[in-house]
Amino acid sequence: DTGVSQDPRHKITKRGQNVTFRCDPISEHNRLYWYRQTLGQGPEFLTYFQNEAQLEKSRLLSDRFSAERPKGSFSTLEIQRTEQGDSAMYLCASSFGKATNEKLFFGSGTQLSVL
Amino acid sequence: RKEVEQDPGPFNVPEGATVAFNCTYSNSASQSFFWYRQDCRKEPKLLMSVYSSGNEDGRFTAQLNRASQYISLLIRDSKLSDSATYLCVVNMESSGYSTLTFGKGTMLLVSP
Repeated sequence: DTGVSQDPRHKITKRGQNVTFRCDPISEHNRLYWYRQTLGQGPEFLTYFQNEAQLEKSRLLSDRFSAERPKGSFSTLEIQRTEQGDSAMYLCASSFGKATNEKLFFGSGTQLSVL
Repeated sequence: RKEVEQDPGPFNVPEGATVAFNCTYSNSASQSFFWYRQDCRKEPKLLMSVYSSGNEDGRFTAQLNRASQYISLLIRDSKLSDSATYLCVVNMESSGYSTLTFGKGTMLLVSP
């Protein structure tokens, strides 16, 4: 399977716990994106990387969220001190090409439930 | 004004019908436009890009109106398998970088 893969598929945690998600993009893709989606809404941009550099971070992203892409390949998204409002589907996407003409390939997502 | 706005629907149509969705965007400097399709509990997948001159892919036709800042998607001869949420996507410039902003999506339900 050469698509974008995310792990885990589902995560249930208690409020206040830390969680970490992993994304493995398509191997030749240099850009990697994290989005969050809740029911009835479109994907909401969180952050993106070009290779290992984090180039943009949403103003809506609190300090409890951090993302890394240490070697320009896989990426991790960590949420510290989770809150019930963090419950959502976290989608990772990758792309290759010019910034203004990107076609995103999404993973299946990690569904987070904070109890 | 929201950055990317869509009618959430649902649009209920019978098989064989023609249905059209519109989407408006706020940033007049946006350069790239797409329609993505998302099935229930699945990830979004690219349906088609939207070019200035308009473009067609089988039963699907996408058009861009820069003056009015909207894009449209027309589906002819609807199939049951077209039932999904259609997401309008526009690139937005921020801090010198371009990111893709999604609308909330328009739900389409095609019935027998």
